[in-house]
Amino acid sequence: DQQVKQNSPSLSVQEGRISILNCDYTNSMFDYFLWYKKYPAEGPTFLISISSIKDKNEDGRFTVFLNKSAKHLSLHIVPSQPGDSAVYFCAAGGTYKYIFGTGTRLKVLA
Amino acid sequence: GAGVSQSPSNKVTEKGKDVELRCDPISGHTALYWYRQSLGQGLEFLIYFQGNSAPDKSGLPSDRFSAERTGGSVSTLTIQRTQQEDSAVYLCASSTGTFGGSPLHFGNGTRLTVT
Repeated sequence: DQQVKQNSPSLSVQEGRISILNCDYTNSMFDYFLWYKKYPAEGPTFLISISSIKDKNEDGRFTVFLNKSAKHLSLHIVPSQPGDSAVYFCAAGGTYKYIFGTGTRLKVLA
Repeated sequence: GAGVSQSPSNKVTEKGKDVELRCDPISGHTALYWYRQSLGQGLEFLIYFQGNSAPDKSGLPSDRFSAERTGGSVSTLTIQRTQQEDSAVYLCASSTGTFGGSPLHFGNGTRLTVT
């Protein structure tokens, strides 16, 4: 039973445009949500997080939106750059344990 | 500063042999995690340490898997009598663990191949 789902295994976006990565979860008890980026042969790198008391968090080109009623979060990257090409994982959790989605491979085309 | 360090980076072993994977977390991080990523899959939680104790071992797939942490620092994940389905990238992460939402900082993983 997948508690965190990323239904799009891949996404291609033109350089300079917006990338939108989506994530759905089933457990309403999750309090914290994180996004990670992963390059091949490297560990995941933390990008941005949001707590359940907020609906938006922004850091530079990255914005995460949380819709608790829909149990849905999304990561927006604006403008997208070729260096953003990677696999993106969302993760949801409570005080210590995070459940990860299966990832979305983003390709930013120059 | 130094990040999370894992060794070896790659390990090829024969089915039935035991393997040990090592993780050196970020200094001062009290929380330590092991995850694994099988081909085409997401990150699967294995075990969580707070200090030297493991309050959550719920993700360990079988009793062939064990982990320990000593001195509140280095952790070792041991897989006994390895099977082909154990082939995966094993990722270690650490965090300050002082409050909910603390991001996990991952190492580059150990790629385990069981032949």
